[in-house]
Formats: sequence, C-alpha cells, structure tokens
Amino acid sequence: EAGVAQSPRYKIIEKRQSVAFWCNPISGHATLYWYQQILGQGPKLLIQFQNNGVVDDSQLPKDRFSAERLKGVDSTLKIQPAKLEDSAVYLCASRLTAGGGIPGYEQFFGPGTRLTVL
Amino acid sequence: KNQVEQSPQSLIILEGKNCTLQCNYTVSPFSNLRWYKQDTGRGPVSLTIMTFSENTKSNGRYTATLDADTKQSSLHITASQLSDSASYICVVSAYTNAGKSTFGDGTTLTVKP
Repeated sequence: EAGVAQSPRYKIIEKRQSVAFWCNPISGHATLYWYQQILGQGPKLLIQFQNNGVVDDSQLPKDRFSAERLKGVDSTLKIQPAKLEDSAVYLCASRLTAGGGIPGYEQFFGPGTRLTVL
Repeated sequence: KNQVEQSPQSLIILEGKNCTLQCNYTVSPFSNLRWYKQDTGRGPVSLTIMTFSENTKSNGRYTATLDADTKQSSLHITASQLSDSASYICVVSAYTNAGKSTFGDGTTLTVKP
C-alpha cells in the first residue's frame, strides 16, 4: 500500500513570507497529524485531525499557523508570515483511528518537508 | 506533565558492537510505548511496540524492554551495522480517547566501520 505522501520535500523562503505544505495520508486512515521537528529534537504535535474535525490543536501557534482537512482526506498546513524559528522539518502522519489504548494502530509518517526560513 | 527523556543524546560505536539506549517516561495513564527509527531525511518508522503487560519485544537485531513499575524502557541493538546509524525515538502513548503520544528527543546513533 502507498505510504503517507508529502510535498514539497524542501522549501526555502524569507521571513515574513507565506508557505504551504500538503499531505496525503494512507487511504482509509481517519486520523491525521502534523508535527514540527526542530533539528536534534523529537517531533512536536501541532495539530491532530479525526476525519475533517480537529481533535487537538493546543500547540499550534494560531496567530501564524493554520491547517485544514476539508474532505477528511488530504490536508494542508500553512504558515503566514514565517519567522526564522519556524525552520524545521514538518512531518505528516496518519493512523487508522485515534482510539486510545489500541496499540496496533500505529502512526505512519511521511518523509517530511524541510523548511528553511532566511 | 507527560514527559519522555532519552539517554544518551548521542552515541558512537564500531560496527559489530552492541549498544543500549534508554528511555524514562512519566506518561499517565500508560497505554503503550513504541521505539521508532528515523533515518536522516526520512520520517520515523516503528520498530517495536509494548503494552503494560509486555516486558520484552524483539524485531530482528532490535530488542526492547519495558519496566512499567519504574517507567523505564531500553532498546538493545545487537551486532550493529552501518545501516543502524539513525535517530531512535521513544514514544509513549496515554490511554485517552485521542491516544495522545509524547515523543522523546531521540538518541542519535552513529555506527562506524
């Protein structure tokens, strides 16, 4: 089966510019995650969708970051305007369901988008 | 506050040697613990998963252990290969409706010939 697809793989922008990332999860996966991974750190959850609804966006900097998953399938993450500290890898992951206590439903990660803000 | 701490931060070993990576967590209520391998420029890939009742799980040359009482886990790599060079991330999930996961910062392993 096809994995999680992300594009672009790399993006270089100047501060205050806007940028958008796209993610297509594994077919049939209801749960979709966006993570920010700064070099040398583990992924930090930005937002979690269950179908097209938001489950958790408590760590999303809502003044500049937005995300949507309109049809419950693919998703976009936008940053507007970008800051230097947004330089990171943005990972998308999907899972069959979000149900807690079901360890078999692992998260499958895409290759990520490496963002450099100059 | 749920936390996952990994040690060491980085490790260099010679090809063929064994190594052990550590993970301590304070996630409650505990559901499961996964070890992920993340190659440079790639997304993390799951190696093992353990629930509360499991204390050992193997996947080829990778063996994970879990002590739920002390809230510690380890990942042991046997007969290391150059391809084992990667970041190893410990992820602990809570037993909630959303199954919220807490990620460690990873251990960067470098295997040298």
